[in-house]
Amino acid sequence: DGGITQSPKYLFRKEGQNVTLSCEQNLNHDAMYWYRQDPGQGLRLIYYSQIVNDFQKGDIAEGYSVSREKKESFPLTVTSAQKNPTAFYLCASSISRGWNTEAFFGQGTRLTVV
Amino acid sequence: SQKIEQNSEALNIQEGKTATLTCNYTNYSPAYLQWYRQDPGRGPVFLLLIRENEKEKRKERLKVTFDTTLKQSLFHITASQPADSATYLCALVNQAGTALIFGKGTTLSVSS
Repeated sequence: DGGITQSPKYLFRKEGQNVTLSCEQNLNHDAMYWYRQDPGQGLRLIYYSQIVNDFQKGDIAEGYSVSREKKESFPLTVTSAQKNPTAFYLCASSISRGWNTEAFFGQGTRLTVV
Repeated sequence: SQKIEQNSEALNIQEGKTATLTCNYTNYSPAYLQWYRQDPGRGPVFLLLIRENEKEKRKERLKVTFDTTLKQSLFHITASQPADSATYLCALVNQAGTALIFGKGTTLSVSS
């Protein structure tokens, strides 16, 4: 089945550690996105990529990094510089940057700092 | 900057009634608007997209309107069912046309 797979579903991080969240899609979509969701907040854009080997910062990119070496994969690293990383992280993709079509979301990764 | 407001955080209705959710936006004029459903602990799922030249769009029990003068979209669920209980998110493309921005959502609870 086509779709987006995020892993792991739950992730625990110690203070000062970097962690990487995985996002893979087999929809042959060009565009991929990372959002963060906190209780009572909407989805906030962290990073996005329209093509391989290119990505752009979103509204809250500080403390995060990404790579887009393959069309299917868009991993997100939460670095130790991110002061409040506990949140629900969502990866999404779409056919193109036009956004006149639907976005497909993964099931999310819940990150907790312990 | 663009701003999206969904009028209420929570809406409680009885089964069989029509639920109406509101999305207001400011500071720009998007070419289209989308609605998503999100269940607890899961990613959002696309429901409907409406373009600026479409006043209304329907899909089964769902209806969306788009008033570019009022800068508002209304999302209706008719003959609501307990299974419709979820958070509903309104989304617009940003002015750069590079990504979707989302409202905070309205959590709908349908009681039997």
